[in-house]
Amino acid sequence: KAGVTQTPRYLIKTRGQQVTLSCSPISGHRSVSWYQQTPGQGLQFLFEYFSETQRNKGNFPGRFSGRQFSNSRSEMNVSTLELGDSALYLCASCLRGGGSYTGELFFGEGSRLTVL
Amino acid sequence: KNEVEQSPQNLTAQEGEFITINCSYSVGISALHWLQQHPGGGIVSLFMLSSGKKKHGRLIATINIQEKHSSLHITASHPRDSAVYICAPAGGTSYGKLTFGQGTILTVHP
Repeated sequence: KAGVTQTPRYLIKTRGQQVTLSCSPISGHRSVSWYQQTPGQGLQFLFEYFSETQRNKGNFPGRFSGRQFSNSRSEMNVSTLELGDSALYLCASCLRGGGSYTGELFFGEGSRLTVL
Repeated sequence: KNEVEQSPQNLTAQEGEFITINCSYSVGISALHWLQQHPGGGIVSLFMLSSGKKKHGRLIATINIQEKHSSLHITASHPRDSAVYICAPAGGTSYGKLTFGQGTILTVHP
């Protein structure tokens, strides 16, 4: 069974640009969560999606947005990039719904964004 | 005061030693995750706990909901256990909305 796949793995952008990151969950997993990891702030929660609906949102500005598609794949977008957005962006999926809600999280390898 | 406090922040051990990492939290939770991160970034979920105790091989995790405290134990530590261990409570009805501890850097010497 394939794991959680994040693309791209590495990318470099300049200030003011926007970026879209993709996360494909494990087959059958309908819940996807996103996290940001920086040396200064550590790991922080960004969003949680289930059945194409945002269920929870972390304390990030409106420049950070996301969505989930009917096949459970999720994307997050950061507009008007700032230097401080340089980070490792991780997504995780879990099995949820239909009586099979284990809550165990499976993480992707992350997308490492550098903003110059 | 941080919502999640881990101790110690750094831990050095000799191969074979018994390791304990502690986590105290102040938020209300639905469950608590223990995560492992090796250099290079990949994160693996070791345990998800909502009560009591779980064991996987040499790893044991416990949680006391009333005291808002959890511990991760590693028996017979090995150099391959060297990693960052992160405590992450999940809030409310969500299992993905995590609040993260600052992590414990574990180094096990042969």
